[in-house]
Amino acid sequence: NAGVMQNPRHLVRRRGQEARLRCSPMKGHSHVYWYRQLPEEGLKFMVYLQKENIIDESGMPKERFSAEFPKEGPSILRIQQVVRGDSAAYFCASSLDRVSNIQYFGAGTRLSVL
Amino acid sequence: QKEVEQNSGPLSVPEGAIASLNCTYSDRVSQSFFWYRQYSGKSPELIMSIYSNGDKEDGRFTAQLNKASQYVSLLIRDSQPSDSATYLCAVEGGGGSNYKLTFGKGTLLTVNP
Repeated sequence: NAGVMQNPRHLVRRRGQEARLRCSPMKGHSHVYWYRQLPEEGLKFMVYLQKENIIDESGMPKERFSAEFPKEGPSILRIQQVVRGDSAAYFCASSLDRVSNIQYFGAGTRLSVL
Repeated sequence: QKEVEQNSGPLSVPEGAIASLNCTYSDRVSQSFFWYRQYSGKSPELIMSIYSNGDKEDGRFTAQLNKASQYVSLLIRDSQPSDSATYLCAVEGGGGSNYKLTFGKGTLLTVNP
């Protein structure tokens, strides 16, 4: 049973380019969460999605960042016009339900902006 | 602003000793608490979840929760060098945002052979 799959593992972008991060949840999980980990900082919640719905995007910057979880395919975190401050590790997690809220994390995508 | 505080460490213990990791949280309505282990450059790995006051044991790990004191801890018995990692305390948001985990900055544990 595959865990949470994220790709790419490493992504290098130049300032002003777009970054697309993909996440496939564990089999049977329909709840997806994105977190960002900046150097020397803790994990910060960004957005919570269920299939085709954004439930809570309160942790996501208002501009340049968007997320989706379509009916078919992986969840996508999209960062437009990247800046150096976007360099971080982006982790996706998934859970089976909200009762126990046990979230399992993927390996992460490490974004470097040159 | 909901906060989760951990001692940043580093915490250094000899092999075979008990490592004690502590965490306090600010949101009184939180009901679910988690400990994750994160090796350098890797993803967080769930170790324990705890929902009720008291102790919960799983192998060499024991989580302790005291909601009145807003305190949660993790004990690691018979510490091994492979336990050397950063330990993250995570607290669910409580109320309508119980899906949202707030993480502490983590405690770096080093187990010396």
